Amino acid sequence: KAGVTQTPRYLIKTRGQQVTLSCSPISGHRSVSWYQQTPGQGLQFLFEYFSETQRNKGNFPGRFSGRQFSNSRSEMNVSTLELGDSALYLCASSLPRGASNYGYTFGSGTRLTVV
Amino acid sequence: SQQGEEDPQALSIQEGENATMNCSYKTSINNLQWYRQNSGRGLVHLILIRSNEREKHSGRLRVTLDTSKKSSSLLITASRAADTASYFCATDLTSGSRLTFGEGTQLTVNP
Repeated sequence: KAGVTQTPRYLIKTRGQQVTLSCSPISGHRSVSWYQQTPGQGLQFLFEYFSETQRNKGNFPGRFSGRQFSNSRSEMNVSTLELGDSALYLCASSLPRGASNYGYTFGSGTRLTVV
Repeated sequence: SQQGEEDPQALSIQEGENATMNCSYKTSINNLQWYRQNSGRGLVHLILIRSNEREKHSGRLRVTLDTSKKSSSLLITASRAADTASYFCATDLTSGSRLTFGEGTQLTVNP
């Protein structure tokens, strides 16, 4: 069973540019969540999607956006990049909360460096 | 602030010893989960304990949950060097649909 796939693994961008990160969830998982991880702030929730609808959004500026496609794949976009956006971006997929094997399965992340 | 707070922030032990990490949280939860992260990698789900459970085991892992104290502990028995990683607790709240992570405990197991 394939895991959660995030692409690309590493990315270097210049301030002011925009970036799109991709996440393919485990087959059958319809919920996808995104997190930003930095040494100073830890794991911060960005957004959650379920069946192409954003269910929840964290406390991030509007430069951060996302979407989910009908095949449950998800993308997140960051526009007008700032140095502080440098982080490990993690995507996780899950079954519904009531499932017996409920839990988040994370991808390996995309390491974004803004210079 | 983070919903979950781990204690200690860092723990260094010898191989074979037991490691105990604690997590405290603030509001009512549906369940609490523990995750492990090797340096710079994705998180790996270790164990989930529901709010109506008090203890759960998985291999060398033992998790307890005390909802009256809003706290949980993760015990790793007979630790190995390969257990070296960061360990996070995550709370799944009764309201809301996202996991909220603590700041993590960095565990170092010395061979």
